[in-house]
Amino acid sequence: DGGITQSPKYLFRKEGQNVTLSCEQNLNHDAMYWYRQDPGQGLRLIYYSQIVNDFQKGDIAEGYSVSREKKESFPLTVTSAQKNPTAFYLCASSLMTGVGYEQYFGPGTRLTVT
Amino acid sequence: GEDVEQSLFLSVREGDSSVINCTYTDSSSTYLYWYKQEPGAGLQLLTYIFSNMDMKQDQRLTVLLNKKDKHLSLRIADTQTGDSAIYFCAEDGEGKLIFGQGTELSVKP
Repeated sequence: DGGITQSPKYLFRKEGQNVTLSCEQNLNHDAMYWYRQDPGQGLRLIYYSQIVNDFQKGDIAEGYSVSREKKESFPLTVTSAQKNPTAFYLCASSLMTGVGYEQYFGPGTRLTVT
Repeated sequence: GEDVEQSLFLSVREGDSSVINCTYTDSSSTYLYWYKQEPGAGLQLLTYIFSNMDMKQDQRLTVLLNKKDKHLSLRIADTQTGDSAIYFCAEDGEGKLIFGQGTELSVKP
């Protein structure tokens, strides 16, 4: 079965700790994305990657970092610099970036920082 | 800048039609999308419309696009309790999706 997996589903961390969220896809997609979802605010783009070893900042990249060492993997690190990290994080992928390429979403990771 | 607006809540009775509305600002958007999100899950693409179309029908779903007013709507016929979810419209901003805030649809039996 092809798809996108995110792990874990729920993650709890203490303030001041970095945490890495996993995203893996076996769809052979070149493009991958990270979104943050807060109630009543829809989805906001954090980072995206068009190809291995390349990535670009989205609208709210401050306090986050990513890597794209393999085509199928796009991990997101939420650093201690992120002022309000508690949110639902969604990973997506598409065949390519560009108009009209459908984005497929993973099930999400809910991060709670206390 | 690009912006997509939706009302936050809609409540309907089972069997009625639901209409979820969306306005967008980027007139150059080529595709406009509707996604569905069930509780605690990721987003699932429901349907999309190409910007040179006025209407698209797919089983119980009808999408209407008014380019002049930059208004997009999703009509769900014979709404069922299983349709309860959050519905997002999104415009294709040069390959990056710009999402609305989402409309939470509640279907009462």
